[in-house]
Amino acid sequence: EPEVTQTPSHQVTQMGQEVILRCVPISNHLYFYWYRQILGQKVEFLVSFYNNEISEKSEIFDDQFSVERPDGSNFTLKIRSTKLEDSAMYFCASSERWNTEAFFGQGTRLTVV
Amino acid sequence: GQSLEQPSEVTAVEGAIVQINCTYQTSGFYGLSWYQQHDGGAPTFLSYNALDGLEETGRFSSFLSRSDSYGYLLLQELQMKDSASYFCAVRGDTGGFKTIFGAGTRLFVKA
Repeated sequence: EPEVTQTPSHQVTQMGQEVILRCVPISNHLYFYWYRQILGQKVEFLVSFYNNEISEKSEIFDDQFSVERPDGSNFTLKIRSTKLEDSAMYFCASSERWNTEAFFGQGTRLTVV
Repeated sequence: GQSLEQPSEVTAVEGAIVQINCTYQTSGFYGLSWYQQHDGGAPTFLSYNALDGLEETGRFSSFLSRSDSYGYLLLQELQMKDSASYFCAVRGDTGGFKTIFGAGTRLFVKA
């Protein structure tokens, strides 16, 4: 069964460093998303991406964050100048159409120390 | 803005039926989804309602009433493995495919 894959599964980084979280969406999906979940809290929308551009972003997704689809398969989230409060699980998701279910990857646990 | 409300916690016994309610406020509405998340795992899609009524998928059913801005997830024949968090999520009319999740309902299934 096709699935969304994310790497790495766990990333530890020093405060102030930049990290890139990688995702390979399901191949025939056209809509891509990043979500964040701080431990014990709800899943928070960060950004949606379609047709090689950001469709919508939340208030969390400020200039510290950027997304890119560098080739036909990868979808990345870059976080610059990481802060302690960026520590969370980051989920990538994709959907075939805008109104169909989103399939989530297993997440990258980011720990900023 | 968009907001969702669901109970924080529900406890039920194995074999029972449990209903998890969700009320929402959105600017526009394109559907209510339900996701299951086990500890340490990813959200897994369970069901989606765009129109009023009941959708059934095996032991899980989901209901929507758009006029009441209300939906629920019904879990039947509860099993221990159903212990997890359940999130309702809505997609509103913000133009950019943004989905907002509720805070989640933690379901504890007891033997």
